Amino acid sequence: DQQVKQNSPSLSVQEGRISILNCDYTNSMFDYFLWYKKYPAEGPTFLISISSIKDKNEDGRFTVFLNKSAKHLSLHIVPSQPGDSAVYFCAASEYTSGSRLTFGEGTQLTVNP
Amino acid sequence: GAVVSQHPSWVICKSGTSVKIECRSLDFQATTMFWYRQFPKQSLMLMATSNEGSKATYEQGVEKDKFLINHASLTLSTLTVTSAHPEDSSFYICSARDTGYSNQPQHFGDGTRLSIL
Repeated sequence: DQQVKQNSPSLSVQEGRISILNCDYTNSMFDYFLWYKKYPAEGPTFLISISSIKDKNEDGRFTVFLNKSAKHLSLHIVPSQPGDSAVYFCAASEYTSGSRLTFGEGTQLTVNP
Repeated sequence: GAVVSQHPSWVICKSGTSVKIECRSLDFQATTMFWYRQFPKQSLMLMATSNEGSKATYEQGVEKDKFLINHASLTLSTLTVTSAHPEDSSFYICSARDTGYSNQPQHFGDGTRLSIL
């Protein structure tokens, strides 16, 4: 039972344009969501998070949007840079779970110069 | 920022060998650490939650006698893959969260690539 889903395995965008990565979840108990970036043979690096009491959180070029009614979140990267090319994982947790994270399958983002 | 160190980064060994992987939080204390496994082109799957000074909590389907976890201090957790077989070959990653800051995200080590021949 995949509780966190990233339906696009890959995304390709031009440098300078917006990258939009999507994530859907099914567990209504999830109340904290995170995005991680991962390069091959390395551990994930934390990018940005959002609590369920918010619908938007922004940090520099990265913005995460949360639509609780649709159980959907997205990560926007503007402007996209070639160095952003990596696999992006969406993750979710519920307060009572003691920070256990459930990950999506990941989306490979390629930013072309 | 918070740093999690994982060692070794790559292990190749014969079938039947036991392999120990260390996960250290370098500049913070972590009451809880997490161990994940990732197969190629798949998501990170939580294997177990490591609790300092007590028994680990294993996810459904993960054999606790196969994957021994010890969390003897607030900065070190170890995962031992006992009598490893080729099907145990995978990328193992640990994570930790600063005990003193409940709103901080988990920080991950760089992972251990385990290859069993």
